[in-house]
Amino acid sequence: QSVLTQPASVSGSPGQSITLSCIDMRSGVSAYSSVSWYQQHPGKAPQLIIYDATIRPPGVSHRFSGSQSGNAASLTISGLQAEDEADYFCSSFVGGDTVMFGGGTKLTVL
Amino acid sequence: QHQLVQSGTEVKKTGASVKVSCKASGYTLSDLGITWVRQDPGHGLVWMGWIGAHNGDTDYAQNFQGRVTLTTDIFRNVAYMELTSLRSDDTAVYFCARGWRVNNFDLWGQGTRVTVSS
Repeated sequence: QSVLTQPASVSGSPGQSITLSCIDMRSGVSAYSSVSWYQQHPGKAPQLIIYDATIRPPGVSHRFSGSQSGNAASLTISGLQAEDEADYFCSSFVGGDTVMFGGGTKLTVL
Repeated sequence: QHQLVQSGTEVKKTGASVKVSCKASGYTLSDLGITWVRQDPGHGLVWMGWIGAHNGDTDYAQNFQGRVTLTTDIFRNVAYMELTSLRSDDTAVYFCARGWRVNNFDLWGQGTRVTVSS
């Protein structure tokens, strides 16, 4: 069981904006350390789309944006497209020298 | 073009060991280290550990302590993950990814499927 909690699934229609959440369930933790987000299509390797909560790597669409407030991080996808249908995972440092991933959210584009 | 290319599918018996390789091309593996992540069938990602290839420093996830060993051959630009005492629940896809003691893995291998059965 991951300490990073993500909704199992979300859905949206093309053109909509959707927001995925990632909540740190550890008690007493008021802020994340360096949250990242990954997109994974079926049968493929994950792809880094956001790091340090808000930074997009080169080549990642501007439709992806990240934010963080206290123990919650969010990934917003604007102008939803069919190709955005994928699994999305958040990750964070846990204990300073280990990393944990959230359970992942399956995004369905209706 | 930076790439990580992993070794092929493995089928192992319970109790055996598996060693997966991850060859870096287009950059020097020792510059940034390698992290290993596994994905259980239909489930999420699990961080296994990482190795700083320039110094061999490793950290392992508690769940794999004592069973996993990460190594590198900096001359061949290859990283290795060996998992011993395999159990059926080690059946998974194993990924290598670029990065050590960071939380932004910007380059991933294609994954290696390991099936463990009795």
